[in-house]
Amino acid sequence: KQEVTQIPAALSVPEGENLVLNCSFTDSAIYNLQWFRQDPGKGLTSLLLIQSSQREQTSGRLNASLDKSSGRSTLYIAASQPGDSATYLCAVRGLSGGSNYKLTFGKGTLLTVNP
Amino acid sequence: DGGITQSPKYLFRKEGQNVTLSCEQNLNHDAMYWYRQDPGQGLRLIYYSQIVNDFQKGDIAEGYSVSREKKESFPLTVTSAQKNPTAFYLCASSSYRGNYGYTFGSGTRLTVV
Repeated sequence: KQEVTQIPAALSVPEGENLVLNCSFTDSAIYNLQWFRQDPGKGLTSLLLIQSSQREQTSGRLNASLDKSSGRSTLYIAASQPGDSATYLCAVRGLSGGSNYKLTFGKGTLLTVNP
Repeated sequence: DGGITQSPKYLFRKEGQNVTLSCEQNLNHDAMYWYRQDPGQGLRLIYYSQIVNDFQKGDIAEGYSVSREKKESFPLTVTSAQKNPTAFYLCASSSYRGNYGYTFGSGTRLTVV
């Protein structure tokens, strides 16, 4: 059974700092990995999606990497801003079984960027 | 703009009552999903549907029911058999074409009163 772990559970940084959020998964047989952002009481907003054949994806100040063989992904946020404060969730989509389209989520990292 | 619409945003349920959460998408996505989110537990899959008129149980289906009569719609009923229904419910969809990424709705917060 796929398990996804996110470290740290919470992170507080001053504005302007570069930071890295970590995600690990136990089964490397994945179709893709997706990073989401969730603001309090809101739904999930997709940030970046990396296919299993890719190594990284970039969008603005965000860069996500994927090392499928070691079961790891990182989300790099450059020059953090108070508006980046949110919970960041990592999710992997599996390859095997009848439910091969379902996502398995980590519990998230709560990021606070202080002005 | 294409997206997923969940309604209502807030819902209150009395003991012994069934309630239905609405989820509609105009993305032409084939698959739809219902997740439950509780503090400290992350997102857990309740039901999913890959095509119209077919759906499968997820990890925590007990006390819930769904239907998929139209491609655009995937309503979730929380029955009286669900003993702890207070949670945040999220609907999502994905396509079998393109990058297979998921799109989520804005959620429904259900509270038992």
